[in-house]
Amino acid sequence: GAGVSQSPSNKVTEKGKDVELRCDPISGHTALYWYRQRLGQGLEFLIYFQGNSAPDKSGLPSDRFSAERTGESVSTLTIQRTQQEDSAVYLCASSKQGRAPEAFFGQGTRLTVV
Amino acid sequence: KNQVEQSPQSLIILEGKNCTLQCNYTVSPFSNLRWYKQDTGRGPVSLTIMTFSENTKSNGRYTATLDADTKQSSLHITASQLSDSASYICVVSLGGGSNYKLTFGKGTLLTVNP
Repeated sequence: GAGVSQSPSNKVTEKGKDVELRCDPISGHTALYWYRQRLGQGLEFLIYFQGNSAPDKSGLPSDRFSAERTGESVSTLTIQRTQQEDSAVYLCASSKQGRAPEAFFGQGTRLTVV
Repeated sequence: KNQVEQSPQSLIILEGKNCTLQCNYTVSPFSNLRWYKQDTGRGPVSLTIMTFSENTKSNGRYTATLDADTKQSSLHITASQLSDSASYICVVSLGGGSNYKLTFGKGTLLTVNP
């Protein structure tokens, strides 16, 4: 596609359930980022993938959070046993390799845990 | 630790006034710095990029400056408009090798009131 695509755009789930969020990066973009943004807050780094290198998982807030990406394709962010504090917009961005990478963001998935 | 700090966290100004947003970074080795604008409910979009050798760059009413020695950047908005109300995010690219990882600041939330 022309841009970064995220699905679903909105997700309401019950506390304790697992959710899976999907990100389709721009074709050819080797880098992929997941960020969390709570209402009125800044971007909170979660995880970074670069090609086939080991991902930087330093931003994942707990072991309930995990993410996968195969090569330079789709990524999924999984949150197990969701809690109310997980409610936020989850943004995905991708960028090319190179000296001046520009991150292109998806529209985000708004997760509400009730 | 590579960090990007932005100030102020939030700012309210009247339409037509000027304002300056600040970004300090400790990312090393530095490659480049971008300012992004994030409208409410949307993903961030790149406004301008600053490389190591550039001191100032303008994009319409937006002027970005960079002091690579003090590791500071600013974004100056002239004659503000209501549509400038958004979050402005400073993003620094880590240089060296082939993996130009991006480090995001938490953003400054700008509100322009009539």
